[in-house]
Amino acid sequence: GQNIDQPTEMTATEGAIVQINCTYQTSGFNGLFWYQQHAGEAPTFLSYNVLDGLEEKGRFSSFLSRSKGYSYLLLKELQMKDSASYLCAVRDNYGQNFVFGPGTRLSVLP
Amino acid sequence: SAVISQKPSRDICQRGTSLTIQCQVDSQVTMMFWYRQQPGQSLTLIATANQGSEATYESGFVIDKFPISRPNLTFSTLTVSNMSPEDSSIYLCSVEESTTTSYEQYFGPGTRLTVT
Repeated sequence: GQNIDQPTEMTATEGAIVQINCTYQTSGFNGLFWYQQHAGEAPTFLSYNVLDGLEEKGRFSSFLSRSKGYSYLLLKELQMKDSASYLCAVRDNYGQNFVFGPGTRLSVLP
Repeated sequence: SAVISQKPSRDICQRGTSLTIQCQVDSQVTMMFWYRQQPGQSLTLIATANQGSEATYESGFVIDKFPISRPNLTFSTLTVSNMSPEDSSIYLCSVEESTTTSYEQYFGPGTRLTVT
């Protein structure tokens, strides 16, 4: 079977750091993706990890441990506009079959 | 990054009818994907559409219900057939672009379908 877990909701304060975790169990693995989705809008691509370790892109970083089936998205210097849902997705067979997690709704408070 | 447009952006349809959603990309892409996102939920992949071959459907989705066309490398359509209220959802197409170190997936703006 395929299963991806994320916390349903998180709250953080403007200027702070937040870590959103994602655990997965899939029949294969060919990359893990993070997306941001504001209400009523399409998802936008944030990051892609296929090897273990940390990928940094400005305020956002994504970490992957394939042996643990675990990833996290780290958001630094939070801004109000970061309030959105964050979706973790795994591609479990090359070229096909993306599986999305349930998403984490992040609220950034002043 | 690829720019993707979808038509229509939204529609209200009657039970039993069919709706065809168009997806246009501003560059040639090999792989296009169709997703469904029901209210308050995450995305579910319906099918993968590659140019020149039959679409590959995920478990729970069948070609008779969701026929897909992929006539060229910049365009695809998804038809939602014999609609019922349970088909009310946002339908999104997406494309994948590869770089030397990464894959990036881009989504169209979505088509919001309401079936009455």
